[in-house]
Amino acid sequence: AQSVTQLDSHVSVSEGTPVLLRCNYSSSYSPSLFWYVQHPNKGLQLLLKYTSAATLVKGINGFEAEFKKSETSFHLTKPSAHMSDAAEYFCVVTPSGGYNKLIFGAGTRLAVHP
Amino acid sequence: GAVVSQHPSWVICKSGTSVKIECRSLDFQATTMFWYRQFPKQSLMLMATSNEGSKATYEQGVEKDKFLINHASLTLSTLTVTSAHPEDSSFYICSARDSAGFGTQYFGPGTRLLVL
Repeated sequence: AQSVTQLDSHVSVSEGTPVLLRCNYSSSYSPSLFWYVQHPNKGLQLLLKYTSAATLVKGINGFEAEFKKSETSFHLTKPSAHMSDAAEYFCVVTPSGGYNKLIFGAGTRLAVHP
Repeated sequence: GAVVSQHPSWVICKSGTSVKIECRSLDFQATTMFWYRQFPKQSLMLMATSNEGSKATYEQGVEKDKFLINHASLTLSTLTVTSAHPEDSSFYICSARDSAGFGTQYFGPGTRLLVL
């Protein structure tokens, strides 16, 4: 069985400071992992994905995530937060290959303060 | 990049009426589309998997006669909420899986349904 745990329901940072959104997964198979972002009343936008290639994955808008198998983690980071980064972020897992339904984490709401 | 559209973006209807929501993949083919429901401040809940040319697969607890899904082409899936009631009010989001390459899911912008 697969599951995703986002360790923080809310994260608040100041503009210009680093962002860390934590995600741990459980999977019986070699997983594929994704981070999606959702702005208010909008659909989801893919930030980045891990598909068993490089463990450090670079995404859009300066975000990146590192797949650590030993820690079963896939934390999302950004060196410097921008006001426009304020949104809901979802960590998602699916069995390797991506051709299966996505398992969503509960989400982390990121607030960015001036 | 891959774009998925939904129509309408929002709809208000009276209790007892049926509402149809369209999901289109604009620049890629999608043999599989997914329908999600999202309640305020919650994560997405998968309702059903829609496969082109075949019957949809519904998740446990989702009434297939209540939420009719049709996937008649490689770029279009529709969700019809039949005899809608206020408890059906929600944010409905579709995604389309790119048939080529890795099979990443791309999400539509969502449809806000309010049943009075």
